[in-house]
Amino acid sequence: EDKVVQSPLSLVVHEGDTVTLNCSYEVTNFRSLLWYKQEKKAPTFLFMLTSSGIEKKSGRLSSILDKKELFSILNITATQTGDSAVYLCAVDRGSTLGRLYFGRGTQLTVWP
Amino acid sequence: DSGVTQTPKHLITATGQRVTLRCSPRSGDLSVYWYQQSLDQGLQFLIQYYNGEERAKGNILERFSAQQFPDLHSELNLSSLELGDSALYFCASSVGGSGYTFGSGTRLTVV
Repeated sequence: EDKVVQSPLSLVVHEGDTVTLNCSYEVTNFRSLLWYKQEKKAPTFLFMLTSSGIEKKSGRLSSILDKKELFSILNITATQTGDSAVYLCAVDRGSTLGRLYFGRGTQLTVWP
Repeated sequence: DSGVTQTPKHLITATGQRVTLRCSPRSGDLSVYWYQQSLDQGLQFLIQYYNGEERAKGNILERFSAQQFPDLHSELNLSSLELGDSALYFCASSVGGSGYTFGSGTRLTVV
């Protein structure tokens, strides 16, 4: 059975801290790994990773994929209260399996 | 605005009833995906359509069905509703198999 496991399930930090969110996976027909941020409603896209070892960056957020060890991390530096959200990791398994398979998410709370 | 439009935003209905959720994908996107998000299950894939044809099925109950119309909008029909069907229902669209964009969801409450 396919698995996407995120850790920790929840995290509380203070503004300015750096956080690392983890996502491990075991899926058939891996195509890519995606990170989403979900605040109140719709998940919003952060990164798509397809190749091992290539870091993707967007401002204070960065992510990297390890296809040998089957995991990805999402780093957020200098956290702000606006970073408070659920961060979702999903694996794209290809069209016949129903593309995105999600983990349960990490609830990040940033205190001022 | 993500470009994916879902209506209605909220729906409250009684057990045993039937409802229809609607999704209009981003312009140019041929694929539509339906997901259910509940507190205990997370985001679960239900069904995918590509250019009017069913492409993949996930954990979709037999009481649920969907279709995609020639103008590419999609409808998810939920019947014989149970309390456990209360959840957020998301639609996402993509061009082929990349760049998935989610709508803002329909919150269904079954009472």
